[in-house]
Amino acid sequence: SFELTQPSSVSLALGQTAKITCEGNDIGSKNVHWYQQRPGQAPLLLIYNDASRPSGIPERFSGSNSGNTATLTISSAQVGDEGDYYCQVWDSGTVVFGAGTEVTVL
Amino acid sequence: QVRLQESGPGLVKPSQTLSLTCTVSGGSISIGSYYWNWIRQPAGKGLEWIGRFYTSGSANFNPSLKGRVSMSVDTSKNQFFLRLSSVTAADTAVYFCARGGMGNYYAPWGQGTLVTVSS
Repeated sequence: SFELTQPSSVSLALGQTAKITCEGNDIGSKNVHWYQQRPGQAPLLLIYNDASRPSGIPERFSGSNSGNTATLTISSAQVGDEGDYYCQVWDSGTVVFGAGTEVTVL
Repeated sequence: QVRLQESGPGLVKPSQTLSLTCTVSGGSISIGSYYWNWIRQPAGKGLEWIGRFYTSGSANFNPSLKGRVSMSVDTSKNQFFLRLSSVTAADTAVYFCARGGMGNYYAPWGQGTLVTVSS
């Protein structure tokens, strides 16, 4: 089965930029989606189809995907960006989520 | 604006069947090319997709749960349902319903409901 690998945690200072990676075999050939989950809340779609933002998602969130790595970039980090971030793909008739990356803003 | 809300028993005994309802408001469940999904999350862990159901009747399920999962819809009530049989403690989780499009990404999500499997 297809596997997605994310770093378990990322820390960054207020106002800085963080890149969260999502690795998978030839993931660049798939559409990658990203979700933010704040503590105690449901996941929220942040990025779909590698780099598109749903209405209402700030431009500070951006995505890219090539080769074996998809990347979510958080620019000008804010305290409200703390939470867990998950990547997701559709593969062989099933949904695959990464294990999630915990983001801490210092 | 479409909203989803899960409901159902918070406690299920081992070996019994877990049954949950997702009520959709702000839009018709049978309009548009959407799949209606169930996703769960054990405490402190990541997301696990359970399966999806289309109002035409087609469905896809996580192979790891296949055989125990069924889904259905009541378009007159704008609701869709999850049934998971022969539950064990490993099925204890927060269960979310979510709308999915043909792009296989999910928005919006319900707030989630905690189901505990225990005698």
